[in-house]
Amino acid sequence: GAGVSQSPSNKVTEKGKDVELRCDPISGHTALYWYRQSLGQGLEFLIYFQGNSAPDKSGLPSDRFSAERTGGSVSTLTIQRTQQEDSAVYLCASSPGPPLQYFGPGTRLTVT
Amino acid sequence: DQQVKQNSPSLSVQEGRISILNCDYTNSMFDYFLWYKKYPAEGPTFLISISSIKDKNEDGRFTVFLNKSAKHLSLHIVPSQPGDSAVYFCAASGTGSGGSNYKLTFGKGTLLTVNP
Repeated sequence: GAGVSQSPSNKVTEKGKDVELRCDPISGHTALYWYRQSLGQGLEFLIYFQGNSAPDKSGLPSDRFSAERTGGSVSTLTIQRTQQEDSAVYLCASSPGPPLQYFGPGTRLTVT
Repeated sequence: DQQVKQNSPSLSVQEGRISILNCDYTNSMFDYFLWYKKYPAEGPTFLISISSIKDKNEDGRFTVFLNKSAKHLSLHIVPSQPGDSAVYFCAASGTGSGGSNYKLTFGKGTLLTVNP
């Protein structure tokens, strides 16, 4: 079956611009996570959605980061006024139930 | 403060031999552990997991061992194959009640190279 998909696969943006990253989870998975992987680092948790509950935003590094999940399915991660330190691979994962998570291929964001 | 540590950034083994990847953790609230494999330009792929109530889980060539008292787990790959060459991430989760978000806490990964 179809896995988690993310778009775009690569994004180059100028410092100060806003970007939107998209995630399409596996159909039927109620939980959705965003992580990011900076160069030489492990994956860092950003935000978690579970059904219709309020998201857990405890991992977002600053108020420039926000995310939403529409209709319990597709999610978008928005970074406003991008900075060079935002450059990373942003990974989305969906889950049929804890703790197993299935990851998408990621979006490589480069801020110049 | 790194709660999950993979102290070996890289490991090189010969095809057919055993690969042993190690992982240490500090948070005693972790009760589920997972290994993911990652190829370049792809997302992490789930490999094998273990619950804290077990000390061993085996799936084909892959076995994960958990030593709770030492807060240590290891992934054994036997026999190693060139296609196993990838970055391996150890991840931990706390599945206790009380609103846990089941987020995964990852180590920095170990690059495994299996030489033909």
